[in-house]
Amino acid sequence: AQKVTQAQTEISVVEKEDVTLDCVYETRDTTYYLFWYKQPPSGELVFLIRRNSFDEQNEISGRYSWNFQKSTSSFNFTITASQVVDSAVYFCALSEVSGGYQKVTFGTGTKLQVIP
Amino acid sequence: DTAVSQTPKYLVTQMGNDKSIKCEQNLGHDTMYWYKQDSKKFLKIMFSYNNKELIINETVPNRFSPKSPDKAHLNLHINSLELGDSAVYFCASSRGSSYNEQFFGPGTRLTVL
Repeated sequence: AQKVTQAQTEISVVEKEDVTLDCVYETRDTTYYLFWYKQPPSGELVFLIRRNSFDEQNEISGRYSWNFQKSTSSFNFTITASQVVDSAVYFCALSEVSGGYQKVTFGTGTKLQVIP
Repeated sequence: DTAVSQTPKYLVTQMGNDKSIKCEQNLGHDTMYWYKQDSKKFLKIMFSYNNKELIINETVPNRFSPKSPDKAHLNLHINSLELGDSAVYFCASSRGSSYNEQFFGPGTRLTVL
Protein backbone atom coordinates (compact mmCIF):
# COMPACT_ATOMS: atom_id res chain seq x y z
CA ALA A 1 0.00 0.00 0.00
CA GLN A 2 1.16 3.45 -0.77
CA LYS A 3 1.71 5.99 1.93
CA VAL A 4 2.77 9.62 2.09
CA THR A 5 4.08 11.14 5.29
CA GLN A 6 4.36 14.81 5.97
CA ALA A 7 5.67 14.82 9.51
CA GLN A 8 5.54 18.59 9.93
CA THR A 9 2.00 19.52 10.83
CA GLU A 10 2.59 23.23 11.15
CA ILE A 11 5.57 25.48 10.49
CA SER A 12 5.92 29.17 11.24
CA VAL A 13 8.65 31.29 9.72
CA VAL A 14 9.35 34.97 9.55
CA GLU A 15 9.13 36.57 6.15
CA LYS A 16 12.28 36.20 4.01
CA GLU A 17 13.38 33.06 5.83
CA ASP A 18 13.89 29.88 3.84
CA VAL A 19 11.73 26.91 4.74
CA THR A 20 11.73 23.26 3.72
CA LEU A 21 8.65 21.08 3.78
CA ASP A 22 9.38 17.39 4.11
CA CYS A 23 7.66 14.56 2.28
CA VAL A 24 8.48 10.87 2.64
CA TYR A 25 6.65 8.23 0.66
CA GLU A 26 6.33 4.46 0.53
CA THR A 27 5.62 2.47 -2.57
CA ARG A 28 6.40 -0.94 -4.04
CA ASP A 29 6.17 0.25 -7.60
CA THR A 30 9.11 1.30 -9.74
CA THR A 31 6.90 3.65 -11.75
CA TYR A 32 5.13 6.34 -9.82
CA TYR A 33 4.61 10.08 -9.78
CA LEU A 34 4.96 12.61 -7.00
CA PHE A 35 3.17 15.92 -6.71
CA TRP A 36 2.98 19.01 -4.56
CA TYR A 37 -0.21 21.02 -4.23
CA LYS A 38 -0.86 24.29 -2.41
CA GLN A 39 -4.09 25.12 -0.57
CA PRO A 40 -4.16 28.80 0.41
CA PRO A 41 -6.62 30.10 3.02
CA SER A 42 -9.15 30.71 0.25
CA GLY A 43 -9.49 26.92 0.00
CA GLU A 44 -8.74 26.00 -3.58
CA LEU A 45 -6.09 23.39 -4.38
CA VAL A 46 -3.39 24.48 -6.77
CA PHE A 47 -0.98 22.16 -8.57
CA LEU A 48 2.69 23.09 -8.11
CA ILE A 49 4.84 20.30 -9.53
CA ARG A 50 4.87 16.73 -10.82
CA ARG A 51 7.88 14.46 -10.84
CA ASN A 52 8.15 10.89 -12.17
CA SER A 53 10.12 8.16 -10.45
CA PHE A 54 12.76 8.03 -13.16
CA ASP A 55 13.66 11.68 -13.02
CA GLU A 56 15.70 12.56 -9.96
CA GLN A 57 16.79 15.93 -11.21
CA ASN A 58 16.03 18.69 -8.79
CA GLU A 59 13.80 21.43 -10.02
CA ILE A 60 13.75 25.15 -9.39
CA SER A 61 10.92 27.50 -10.22
CA GLY A 62 11.50 31.00 -8.96
CA ARG A 63 11.63 30.85 -5.17
CA TYR A 64 10.43 27.23 -5.16
CA SER A 65 12.70 24.23 -5.43
CA TRP A 66 12.18 20.51 -5.06
CA ASN A 67 14.62 17.84 -4.03
CA PHE A 68 13.73 14.29 -5.06
CA GLN A 69 15.84 11.50 -3.57
CA LYS A 70 14.80 7.93 -4.33
CA SER A 71 17.41 6.55 -1.95
CA THR A 72 15.56 8.08 0.99
CA SER A 73 12.08 8.05 -0.64
CA SER A 74 11.79 11.77 -0.11
CA PHE A 75 10.48 14.63 -2.18
CA ASN A 76 11.11 17.80 -0.23
CA PHE A 77 9.97 21.28 -1.11
CA THR A 78 11.93 24.43 -0.28
CA ILE A 79 10.67 27.98 -0.41
CA THR A 80 13.43 30.55 -0.51
CA ALA A 81 12.89 34.04 0.91
CA SER A 82 9.37 33.20 2.04
CA GLN A 83 6.58 35.71 1.64
CA VAL A 84 3.25 36.15 3.40
CA VAL A 85 1.49 34.93 0.24
CA ASP A 86 3.20 31.57 0.73
CA SER A 87 1.04 30.97 3.80
CA ALA A 88 -1.00 27.90 2.96
CA VAL A 89 -1.36 24.19 3.54
CA TYR A 90 0.96 22.24 1.28
CA PHE A 91 0.19 18.68 0.25
CA CYS A 92 2.55 16.09 -1.10
CA ALA A 93 0.91 13.32 -3.13
CA LEU A 94 1.87 10.00 -4.69
CA SER A 95 0.28 8.37 -7.71
CA GLU A 96 0.92 4.73 -8.45
CA VAL A 97 -0.90 1.68 -9.73
CA SER A 98 -2.85 0.10 -6.91
CA GLY A 99 -5.35 -2.70 -7.34
CA GLY A 100 -5.09 -2.48 -11.11
CA TYR A 101 -5.72 1.22 -11.43
CA GLN A 102 -3.85 4.42 -10.83
CA LYS A 103 -4.62 6.09 -7.57
CA VAL A 104 -3.43 9.22 -5.81
CA THR A 105 -2.70 9.29 -2.10
CA PHE A 106 -2.26 12.64 -0.41
CA GLY A 107 -0.19 13.34 2.65
CA THR A 108 -1.82 14.97 5.64
CA GLY A 109 -0.47 18.38 4.67
CA THR A 110 1.87 20.91 6.26
CA LYS A 111 0.42 24.24 7.28
CA LEU A 112 2.92 26.99 6.62
CA GLN A 113 2.48 30.35 8.26
CA VAL A 114 4.72 33.16 7.12
CA ILE A 115 4.79 35.98 9.62
CA PRO A 116 5.44 39.49 8.33
CA ASP B 1 -13.52 30.78 -18.10
CA THR B 2 -13.53 28.58 -14.98
CA ALA B 3 -11.71 25.29 -15.51
CA VAL B 4 -13.44 23.12 -12.90
CA SER B 5 -16.60 24.45 -11.34
CA GLN B 6 -18.77 23.09 -8.55
CA THR B 7 -22.21 24.03 -7.34
CA PRO B 8 -23.19 24.86 -4.74
CA LYS B 9 -20.24 26.37 -2.90
CA TYR B 10 -21.96 26.01 0.44
CA LEU B 11 -24.60 23.52 1.45
CA VAL B 12 -26.27 23.48 4.85
CA THR B 13 -28.86 20.81 5.46
CA GLN B 14 -30.53 18.67 8.08
CA MET B 15 -29.63 15.11 8.93
CA GLY B 16 -31.54 12.60 6.86
CA ASN B 17 -31.93 14.82 3.79
CA ASP B 18 -30.72 13.97 0.29
CA LYS B 19 -28.51 16.43 -1.56
CA SER B 20 -26.49 16.69 -4.76
CA ILE B 21 -23.30 18.48 -5.72
CA LYS B 22 -22.59 19.19 -9.35
CA CYS B 23 -19.21 19.39 -11.06
CA GLU B 24 -18.27 20.47 -14.54
CA GLN B 25 -14.91 20.85 -16.25
CA ASN B 26 -14.18 22.63 -19.52
CA LEU B 27 -10.60 21.43 -19.87
CA GLY B 28 -11.39 18.54 -22.19
CA HIS B 29 -10.12 16.07 -19.59
CA ASP B 30 -11.38 12.50 -19.60
CA THR B 31 -10.86 11.65 -15.94
CA MET B 32 -12.74 13.19 -13.03
CA TYR B 33 -12.60 12.66 -9.29
CA TRP B 34 -14.40 13.35 -6.04
CA TYR B 35 -12.41 13.96 -2.88
CA LYS B 36 -13.51 14.53 0.70
CA GLN B 37 -11.52 16.87 2.93
CA ASP B 38 -12.30 16.59 6.61
CA SER B 39 -11.89 19.19 9.33
CA LYS B 40 -8.25 18.21 9.79
CA LYS B 41 -7.60 18.93 6.12
CA PHE B 42 -7.10 15.27 5.28
CA LEU B 43 -7.87 14.67 1.58
CA LYS B 44 -9.22 11.32 0.58
CA ILE B 45 -10.23 10.05 -2.84
CA MET B 46 -13.81 8.85 -3.02
CA PHE B 47 -14.46 8.13 -6.68
CA SER B 48 -12.78 8.40 -10.03
CA TYR B 49 -14.34 8.23 -13.49
CA ASN B 50 -12.57 7.79 -16.79
CA ASN B 51 -14.62 8.42 -19.94
CA LYS B 52 -17.81 8.15 -17.87
CA GLU B 53 -16.74 4.80 -16.45
CA LEU B 54 -16.21 4.30 -12.73
CA ILE B 55 -12.60 3.23 -12.11
CA ILE B 56 -12.07 4.01 -8.44
CA ASN B 57 -14.63 3.43 -5.75
CA GLU B 58 -13.02 3.71 -2.36
CA THR B 59 -14.62 2.52 0.83
CA VAL B 60 -17.45 4.99 0.71
CA PRO B 61 -20.94 4.33 2.14
CA ASN B 62 -23.58 3.36 -0.40
CA ARG B 63 -25.38 6.57 0.45
CA PHE B 64 -22.88 8.29 -1.86
CA SER B 65 -23.59 7.79 -5.53
CA PRO B 66 -21.62 9.47 -8.29
CA LYS B 67 -23.05 9.97 -11.72
CA SER B 68 -21.24 10.98 -14.89
CA PRO B 69 -23.65 11.93 -17.68
CA ASP B 70 -20.73 12.83 -19.95
CA LYS B 71 -16.96 13.33 -19.76
CA ALA B 72 -17.32 16.94 -18.67
CA HIS B 73 -19.62 16.31 -15.72
CA LEU B 74 -19.39 14.30 -12.53
CA ASN B 75 -22.13 14.78 -9.98
CA LEU B 76 -22.29 13.47 -6.44
CA HIS B 77 -25.57 12.52 -4.82
CA ILE B 78 -25.74 11.83 -1.10
CA ASN B 79 -28.71 10.11 0.51
CA SER B 80 -29.74 10.19 4.15
CA LEU B 81 -27.10 12.69 5.19
CA GLU B 82 -25.33 12.14 8.50
CA LEU B 83 -23.41 14.48 10.78
CA GLY B 84 -20.15 12.79 9.78
CA ASP B 85 -20.70 13.76 6.15
CA SER B 86 -19.89 17.36 7.04
CA ALA B 87 -16.74 18.20 5.10
CA VAL B 88 -15.47 20.01 2.04
CA TYR B 89 -15.97 18.03 -1.14
CA PHE B 90 -13.64 18.68 -4.04
CA CYS B 91 -14.15 17.73 -7.63
CA ALA B 92 -11.06 17.40 -9.81
CA SER B 93 -10.13 16.43 -13.33
CA SER B 94 -7.04 15.28 -15.17
CA ARG B 95 -5.98 14.39 -18.64
CA GLY B 96 -5.84 10.61 -18.79
CA SER B 97 -4.72 8.87 -15.64
CA SER B 98 -3.88 10.17 -12.20
CA TYR B 99 -0.22 10.17 -13.26
CA ASN B 100 -1.07 13.62 -14.58
CA GLU B 101 -1.70 16.67 -12.46
CA GLN B 102 -5.22 17.23 -11.28
CA PHE B 103 -7.14 20.46 -11.53
CA PHE B 104 -9.45 21.05 -8.62
CA GLY B 105 -12.75 22.80 -8.30
CA PRO B 106 -13.29 25.42 -5.57
CA GLY B 107 -14.86 22.90 -3.22
CA THR B 108 -18.32 22.54 -1.70
CA ARG B 109 -18.55 23.00 2.05
CA LEU B 110 -21.27 20.67 3.28
CA THR B 111 -22.62 21.17 6.80
CA VAL B 112 -25.06 18.65 8.17
CA LEU B 113 -27.02 19.82 11.23
